[in-house]
Amino acid sequence: QKEVEQNSGPLSVPEGAIASLNCTYSDRVSQSFFWYRQYSGKSPELIMSIYSNGDKEDGRFTAQLNKASQYVSLLIRDSQPSDSATYLCAADVIQGAQKLVFGQGTRLTINP
Amino acid sequence: EADIYQTPRYLVIGTGKKITLECSQTMGHDKMYWYQQDPGMELHLIHYSYGVNSTEKGDLSSESTVSRIRTEHFPLTLESARPSHTSQYLCASSEYDWGTEAFFGQGTRLTVV
Repeated sequence: QKEVEQNSGPLSVPEGAIASLNCTYSDRVSQSFFWYRQYSGKSPELIMSIYSNGDKEDGRFTAQLNKASQYVSLLIRDSQPSDSATYLCAADVIQGAQKLVFGQGTRLTINP
Repeated sequence: EADIYQTPRYLVIGTGKKITLECSQTMGHDKMYWYQQDPGMELHLIHYSYGVNSTEKGDLSSESTVSRIRTEHFPLTLESARPSHTSQYLCASSEYDWGTEAFFGQGTRLTVV
């Protein structure tokens, strides 16, 4: 099992709707999780991090962490065409060598 | 804005040439990473470092090598480039502790002809 796994999608959502992106993780990672956004041809940029069980909100973005079920999700409210990108879930591996690993990424398209 | 720089941004080179991709950061970060990413595909970790004189191989086997002689500098070298090395190479850095944000450079798009 990979340390961090995402549904690769693609995911298509109408403008103004809620986009929901999911990620599961293994016991080999720390309890710190990151969501990065990557536009086509660009580098990943951090949009949210979450360390505690529950929800964390930042503007239109909400990250959710459920440690019991080992999943982390990202909700984007009032989706805009500018949100169209690939979203990457990441975590630090703590068993063995410390390293930052990424899920496969979910390509999101917001349709006007 | 992240202070991590990669050069060159684009490189087209012939098969068999030796190349070095540069990555420098001015944030004093201990951890540095190299990822390889083909268009539309996932990020693969190929090398990482905890600090000076520390280098480790990542999850994806790579014919490249790295060095970490100075904290701010983490160059990647291919001794003999091949068309299969054509890809985007992304460098990132973070503080040593778990749970700290990684900052990415702008990437180097390498094409081997």
